Amino acid sequence: DTAVSQTPKYLVTQMGNDKSIKCEQNLGHDTMYWYKQDSKKFLKIMFSYNNKELIINETVPNRFSPKSPDKAHLNLHINSLELGDSAVYFCASTPGTGNSPLHFGNGTRLTVT
Amino acid sequence: AQSVTQLGSHVSVSEGALVLLRCNYSSSVPPYLFWYVQYPNQGLQLLLKYTSAATLVKGINGFEAEFKKSETSFHLTKPSAHMSDAAEYFCAVSEGSAAGNKLTFGGGTRVLVKP
Repeated sequence: DTAVSQTPKYLVTQMGNDKSIKCEQNLGHDTMYWYKQDSKKFLKIMFSYNNKELIINETVPNRFSPKSPDKAHLNLHINSLELGDSAVYFCASTPGTGNSPLHFGNGTRLTVT
Repeated sequence: AQSVTQLGSHVSVSEGALVLLRCNYSSSVPPYLFWYVQYPNQGLQLLLKYTSAATLVKGINGFEAEFKKSETSFHLTKPSAHMSDAAEYFCAVSEGSAAGNKLTFGGGTRVLVKP
């Protein structure tokens, strides 16, 4: 069974559209994240939720809105997509303590045309 | 604020040769350090982590890393490269907190293994 699963794996859409990416983890972890990996492979944290509460909110445009219906799920909704949003988005989870490694999903490759 | 610098965005090694990937960090508190590997079209997998128990950390696939506080480094090595080691490698630092583990990643090093 996949520990951290994201859907869809690929997402191609036009500028101005609204899209969502879903993430689920079956590890029983308390904390979940969204990371963005750009075309140069640089990884940057976007959001983090601990037990459904937002705890990290980096400088991300308001068009990005995370939602955590329960601690096993963290979804990412993006409004009014722009060309610059094209990237690979990774969901991750961790038990929550400082030295616990993150477990990553396989990513969602978003292409905005 | 924490940061990570990986020297060399690309490293090319021959099969059987030593793999050395360099990572330097800055952190205002004793750090937790990690190395991750990313194969094409996949997510990141943990190779190893440093959490102050021992300065020499052994990971999966024959990799190890040594924490040197005086040099603020956490270089990754493998004595003998294998073709399957071709991938992107990321060093990361976390200052940790009770609420979570905000990882800051280096820019990554792509490893190419030549037969």
